[in-house]
Amino acid sequence: GNSVTQMEGPVTLSEEAFLTINCTYTATGYPSLFWYVQYPGEGLQLLLKATKADDKGSNKGFEATYRKETTSFHLEKGSVQVSDSAVYFCALTDNTNAGKSTFGDGTTLTVKP
Amino acid sequence: NAGVTQTPKFQVLKTGQSMTLQCAQDMNHNSMYWYRQDPGMGLRLIYYSASEGTTDKGEVPNGYNVSRLNKREFSLRLESAAPSQTSVYFCASGELQSVAFFGQGTRLTVV
Repeated sequence: GNSVTQMEGPVTLSEEAFLTINCTYTATGYPSLFWYVQYPGEGLQLLLKATKADDKGSNKGFEATYRKETTSFHLEKGSVQVSDSAVYFCALTDNTNAGKSTFGDGTTLTVKP
Repeated sequence: NAGVTQTPKFQVLKTGQSMTLQCAQDMNHNSMYWYRQDPGMGLRLIYYSASEGTTDKGEVPNGYNVSRLNKREFSLRLESAAPSQTSVYFCASGELQSVAFFGQGTRLTVV
């Protein structure tokens, strides 16, 4: 079956530091890949997505590139802010099974001033 | 601009009680989902509905039932609540291979 493995947290960074959160996946076929963000007390929100190999998703300074050869979709940001503190989830959906998503366990990011 | 609306936001139940979590979406999506979120375990799919009139089990369906009332609404029922069902429940909707839109969640405590 499908699976998503995320870098374990928590991750603590100082403001303006570089962020990488690793994500690798196992899937049949050609999945779409997503990063979601969850702020305290809220539901998940889409951060960015990529639907095919070599696509780069980007939003709010975050980027991730769909790497089929390494089955990875690592999240990066060049300079984090305190407001980026949240839980980040990597996920995939395949083109079968009603588009069900498979989520990683989430990585908690805390950014200190 | 409602998106996915879940009710209630908070609930405390006694062991053995029943309740229904309601979910409605206004984006005309075919697929709807119920997840539970537990610390350190990410999101686990309970049930999903690929289209109006169909429902299927997800990863952790035991102790739950669902109803896809119409295209907009997808409810989750706990017939006899157990402490192991203490969790945060999220409803989501979406389309094949597309992003899922999540509700704000229901925090359920079973004592």
